[in-house]
Amino acid sequence: GENVEQHPSTLSVQEGDSAVIKCTYSDSASNYFPWYKQELGKRPQLIIDIRSNVGEKKDQRIAVTLNKTAKHFSLHITETQPEDSAVYFCAANFGNEKLTFGTGTRLTIIP
Amino acid sequence: GAVVSQHPSWVICKSGTSVKIECRSLDFQATTMFWYRQFPKQSLMLMATSNEGSKATYEQGVEKDKFLINHASLTLSTLTVTSAHPEDSSFYICSARGSSGFDSPLHFGNGTRLTVT
Repeated sequence: GENVEQHPSTLSVQEGDSAVIKCTYSDSASNYFPWYKQELGKRPQLIIDIRSNVGEKKDQRIAVTLNKTAKHFSLHITETQPEDSAVYFCAANFGNEKLTFGTGTRLTIIP
Repeated sequence: GAVVSQHPSWVICKSGTSVKIECRSLDFQATTMFWYRQFPKQSLMLMATSNEGSKATYEQGVEKDKFLINHASLTLSTLTVTSAHPEDSSFYICSARGSSGFDSPLHFGNGTRLTVT
């Protein structure tokens, strides 16, 4: 079935250090993997995405890596800042128009 | 671009009443919109896929007669929670793709926080 697992569920990182969040998906047909950031009471906002024909993508302090063979992808945030504190969700499509979301990671940046 | 507007932002209603939530794509046309529900500290769960001009497709376990979806135009989808009960209290969020292709991002509305008393 359509399943996306996300770890860890909570993550505390000292300001300036890096944070890594990992997700695995179940369907080898998935070809699109976005990451969303959601602040309390607000809408999820896309921060980065990657397609299956690419192994890595970077946008300033944020990067995503994809391992299609192992069916997992990761979000990397470097030089973390207090405003990075939020809940992060990974997602994957399953060869169709729907996106299935991971369970979320609550990231806390410690000043 | 790709702005999705949702209204209302929050609503409080009494048990047994119905509530309508609107989702609009402001600067693009959306033949398909998606309705998600999010309980506190939980993930986004897809409720249904709203298709312009045809019936919505509901996920397993979602009652179609309770959560009525209408997608009458390329820019508007509505979700009506009928005979609401306290357990329906949740954060409802709509989304749509700003471009074609299943490998393009979803853009979300602001969400509607529903509280049923």
